[in-house]
Amino acid sequence: EPEVTQTPSHQVTQMGQEVILRCVPISNHLYFYWYRQILGQKVEFLVSFYNNEISEKSEIFDDQFSVERPDGSNFTLKIRSTKLEDSAMYFCASNLAGANTGELFFGEGSRLTVL
Amino acid sequence: KNQVEQSPQSLIILEGKNCTLQCNYTVSPFSNLRWYKQDTGRGPVSLTIMTFSENTKSNGRYTATLDADTKQSSLHITASQLSDSASYICVVSAYTGGGNKLTFGTGTQLKVEL
Repeated sequence: EPEVTQTPSHQVTQMGQEVILRCVPISNHLYFYWYRQILGQKVEFLVSFYNNEISEKSEIFDDQFSVERPDGSNFTLKIRSTKLEDSAMYFCASNLAGANTGELFFGEGSRLTVL
Repeated sequence: KNQVEQSPQSLIILEGKNCTLQCNYTVSPFSNLRWYKQDTGRGPVSLTIMTFSENTKSNGRYTATLDADTKQSSLHITASQLSDSASYICVVSAYTGGGNKLTFGTGTQLKVEL
């Protein structure tokens, strides 16, 4: 069964360092998303991506964050200068028809720990 | 402000028993409501999706109900198993004509014991 895959599963970094989280969405999907979940809290939307551009982003997704689909398969989230409060589980998701319709498939997550 | 509230926050039941989880929402304009199961440290997995016109949907031992008038939903788990131990998240989608407007609840942490 097709699945969304994410790497790394866990990354530890020093405050101020750049981090890139990678995702391979399901191959025929058109909409891609990043969410985050701080330990013990609810899942929060970061950004959605369609047709090679950001379609929507939340207040969390400030200038420190960027997304890219460099090669037609990978979908990356970059955090330029990590802060302690960026420590969270980051989930990539994808679907075929947009978040408002149809099932959204999540990856297993990348746990980011900022020291 | 769009909000999704879930209750109870946590629940412990014995294997084989049934349970019902609740979700109340104030999301507008309503598009659909989803229930996800999230195992600890894993990504959420979809259980059901219901639109405005659907008031019940089943997926195996999971049955979700929706009352769009009162803006309430429930997830009923029948004959619970140890593997049902997880967080169950209610997610409500607001129709915006495009883009993402999913509002997540904080989840109900279910533990099934022998």
